[in-house]
Amino acid sequence: ILNVEQSPQSLHVQEGDSTNFTCSFPSSNFYALHWYRWETAKSPEALFVMTLNGDEKKKGRISATLNTKEGYSYLYIKGSQPEDSATYLCAFWNRGFQKLVFGTGTRLLVSP
Amino acid sequence: DGGITQSPKYLFRKEGQNVTLSCEQNLNHDAMYWYRQDPGQGLRLIYYSQIVNDFQKGDIAEGYSVSREKKESFPLTVTSAQKNPTAFYLCASSMVQGGGELFFGEGSRLTVL
Repeated sequence: ILNVEQSPQSLHVQEGDSTNFTCSFPSSNFYALHWYRWETAKSPEALFVMTLNGDEKKKGRISATLNTKEGYSYLYIKGSQPEDSATYLCAFWNRGFQKLVFGTGTRLLVSP
Repeated sequence: DGGITQSPKYLFRKEGQNVTLSCEQNLNHDAMYWYRQDPGQGLRLIYYSQIVNDFQKGDIAEGYSVSREKKESFPLTVTSAQKNPTAFYLCASSMVQGGGELFFGEGSRLTVL
């Protein structure tokens, strides 16, 4: 059974704080790691799709790193803003099972 | 605007009734998926389809059925055999199946009374 763990479950920060979350996944048969942002009452939207060990991706104030050998990815948000409040999902694509397995998400609340 | 449309957003059903959730995409994607979300759990795969007239069971297919008669459409039927159907359902698509980015609809919330 494939398991994707995300931590923390939830996080409450003040505007301007920087924060980071962790996604852990099985390191064998790795194919891809996805990060999605899911705002309340909207559709989940892809932030990053990462495939290479050591990959680092950036979109504005949000960045992500990937370590496929040890099975983890970090998502960083620099200078959090209230509009960053959302649930952040990671999902792991395994070659053997040919499907995306989602973690339970990290719920971020940014207070002004 | 290209995207995925799910309907209805909210649906109430009496026990013993079948109900069909609609999912339409105009992104010209080959692959389509249905996920279910329950509190405290990650999205779980119900069914997926890589091409018209073909679909595969996901992790929790029991009590559900799908069809893929057109590339744009992938409706999900929640049958009376589904023991715990109250949940939030998300439809998604991707260009091909195989690690590519998923595009999601806004979801349908089904409540069984």
